[in-house]
Amino acid sequence: QVTLKESGPALVKPTQTLTLTCTFSGFSLSTSGMRVSWIRQPPGKALEWLARIDWDDDKFYSTSLKTRLTISKDTSKNQVVLTMTNMDPVDTGTYYCVRTTTTIAFDYWGQGTLVTVSS
Amino acid sequence: QTVVTQEPSFSVSPGGTVTLTCGLSSGSVSTGNHPSWYQQTPGQAPRTLIYSTTTRSYGVPDRFSGSILGNKAALTITGAQADDESDYYCVLYVGSGISVFGPGTKVTVL
Repeated sequence: QVTLKESGPALVKPTQTLTLTCTFSGFSLSTSGMRVSWIRQPPGKALEWLARIDWDDDKFYSTSLKTRLTISKDTSKNQVVLTMTNMDPVDTGTYYCVRTTTTIAFDYWGQGTLVTVSS
Repeated sequence: QTVVTQEPSFSVSPGGTVTLTCGLSSGSVSTGNHPSWYQQTPGQAPRTLIYSTTTRSYGVPDRFSGSILGNKAALTITGAQADDESDYYCVLYVGSGISVFGPGTKVTVL
């Protein structure tokens, strides 16, 4: 059974760095073809793909956010970490950790974690 | 910057058929963009409906189907039911490891 769960602060101040952790089970990121993405959704708005890390440690970022994002993995802990620097109120939203298939589909989603950026 | 397009909204009668589309601001959508579709109701995480253009995810009813129509990806709901009333998002792989979501289509069943 594949599960993913996001964890991190619910509230961050403007200009701070956000660190989110995805802890997953039911698959291994050391298995060829496995990938994990981060996707976010501001309240009442559309989904936005942020970043992806692959089994071979390849990393990919949203064009508009790549200067602020870093994705990493700890295969031994079954975790993926996303950091986003210089947080702004427009970054408020629900952040999802999602398993990603070899055909770049998002097949298993975490429940999401709501992050609010406010002073 | 690549932009993915979707219709803002659609209304369909119960039992009716509706086709949502997913396009690219520059160029045509092909199977190489690996179109996938997600259904989301308020307060819930998205649910995977279709991936790799046409493949239904496990447990998805066969009234949902995916295709390429002209220069766009398409999601067709045949025999719409009340609980199909949701937001529907497509996502396209645009190369260099990057995926882009569309703005979503709100489907109303009435």
